[in-house]
Order: sequence, then structure tokens, then C-alpha cells
Amino acid sequence: DTEVTQTPKHLVMGMTNKKSLKCEQHMGHRAMYWYKQKAKKPPELMFVYSYEKLSINESVPSRFSPECPNSSLLNLHLHALQPEDSALYLCASSQEGGYTFGSGTRLTVV
Amino acid sequence: QKEVEQDPGPLSVPEGAIVSLNCTYSNSAFQYFMWYRQYSRKGPELLMYTYSSGNKEDGRFTAQVDKSSKYISLFIRDSQPSDSATYLCAGLYSSASKIIFGSGTRLSIRP
Repeated sequence: DTEVTQTPKHLVMGMTNKKSLKCEQHMGHRAMYWYKQKAKKPPELMFVYSYEKLSINESVPSRFSPECPNSSLLNLHLHALQPEDSALYLCASSQEGGYTFGSGTRLTVV
Repeated sequence: QKEVEQDPGPLSVPEGAIVSLNCTYSNSAFQYFMWYRQYSRKGPELLMYTYSSGNKEDGRFTAQVDKSSKYISLFIRDSQPSDSATYLCAGLYSSASKIIFGSGTRLSIRP
């Protein structure tokens, strides 16, 4: 299995909703990431988990809350988002020899 | 100055042509260099992952890294309309660190 799987693929949520994005990989990668990508821009790093511990938080607002339940799973909990948070949210994992992205969750905040 | 510079294009070439995509970088600490292909509304797909200087070939794709000039290249031979996408170059300090992306080059292959 050489994939990073993200669910859901699309999500529409209101500004008062709470939702979660999920990410799963079974490549044995010990580093996992959340990136955010706006249209016509490269992905921007949000969080890094290394060996299931949060190692980097790129000054992301607290309405985004990451969680790493185990070495294969990564969640991103969303609460009280703003319309400007609408974007493609990408999960990635890495080790020597590869840095693999999932297909992303396209999030629309209304 | 951005750490990784990439011409955003767009670049349009006829089918069958050789495509050359290029980036420069400023940070000597990069150890790994990658090229990703991204179709519209999809996640980036890893095409090439290289460590240090030299060439790496995979099918129609060849990646080159020249650390002395801080130059990264991707060549696509026998280009196909299905190669039309945005290509992102990237540098990495270690295998578990933040990717530094270029801005991406939009490539269009004309049938």
C-alpha cells in the first residue's frame, strides 16, 4: 500500500459546525503532515507529527485542532471556521525515499 | 528572496515535444529535491525524489539536481496531453521536515 487516504473528499460546513478530516497511511511512515492549499498556490504547511507527537505548528489558528491517534491515522478537527478557510486540505506522510500526499479534502465554509 | 524560485508559466508545447521545467533554490541545507505533478482539484503526485546532486530517470521523466549552481530540472520526453498539469518543484531539509515548494509551473501539451 503506497497511498495516503483522505476522507471525506468534499465537505461543506457552516461557520458554527464542528467537523473532522481524516487521513490514513499504511506505509509505516512515522512523519505525518497537514497542508492547506488555496487555488493557484502551492501547499502551505500547517502541522507536523513525528512519531505521533506534534513537532511543528505553523502558527495555525486554534479553530484547527490536529490529532494523531496512532502511527497510521491523522485527524484534523474543525470548529468555528471562517469562509476564508475554504481550501484544499492535504495530508502527507514521509520517510527516507518518499513524501506522499493524499488527494485532499475540498472544504467549503458557508 | 524565496527559498525555491519557479517560473509560473503558463508553458504550452506541442504533443511529442521535450519539456524542460526548471527551478533555482537559495538554501544550501536542502538535502532532498522533489518534483510533483498536480492536476486541477487533486492532491500533488510525487514524480521524482532525489537526494543530492545527479540525475534520476523514470520512464519519460528525468530529474537533474546541480547543487553547485543550486539548479533543479525536470525533463519530460515524448510529452502527452495527459501531462498537462501544474508541476511543483520542492526542497527538503530532512526526510521528516517541511517541504519548501516553488510556485508551480502550469504546463499545457497541445494535441
